Amino acid sequence: NAGVTQTPKFQVLKTGQSMTLQCAQDMNHEYMSWYRQDPGMGLRLIHYSVGAGITDQGEVPNGYNVSRSTTEDFPLRLLSAAPSQTSVYFCASSKTGVHYEQYFGPGTRLTVT
Amino acid sequence: SQKIEQNSEALNIQEGKTATLTCNYTNYSPAYLQWYRQDPGRGPVFLLLIRENEKEKRKERLKVTFDTTLKQSLFHITASQPADSATYLCALGFNAGKSTFGDGTTLTVKP
Repeated sequence: NAGVTQTPKFQVLKTGQSMTLQCAQDMNHEYMSWYRQDPGMGLRLIHYSVGAGITDQGEVPNGYNVSRSTTEDFPLRLLSAAPSQTSVYFCASSKTGVHYEQYFGPGTRLTVT
Repeated sequence: SQKIEQNSEALNIQEGKTATLTCNYTNYSPAYLQWYRQDPGRGPVFLLLIRENEKEKRKERLKVTFDTTLKQSLFHITASQPADSATYLCALGFNAGKSTFGDGTTLTVKP
């Protein structure tokens, strides 16, 4: 199993550009989520999904869109990049239901200039 | 307001000693609490989960306690080793499946 994979590893964008961060998992997990982590801080939930076709907002959703057309993939779209979106982005997956640990991808380091 | 606080940003201890990390929260009612380890440039890795009706969990040299009255979890690493040096994150879990993370504590174990 590859676990949770994310691409790209690094990305530099100019203000106003759009892009999609890719996330895939091969563990047949229903639950997937996107977090951002700023220096010296914990993870903040952007969006999450409890299954294909179902998504919901986390605590910092503005400026980001998600969709979940398959169980395996959960892409995160930045609509119009802003310097405030400079961060490290982590995708995670887990079994649905309560009390399951999350498996994290290696992260995407995004810089917006 | 809702808040999660992990003890001071950095904790330095001597090899062989017990490291104790704290996670306090206010205005949350979590169904469970998790601890993760994060190394520089890597994603968090799950360590332990404790449910609201459990007082203590152990896994090898790790022990976690959960006091819902005090709204606090303690995470202990016994016989610490330099390889235990990392940032440790606590996360509150809720029945909807969402998690809320603290800012983490960076542990340095000196030989």
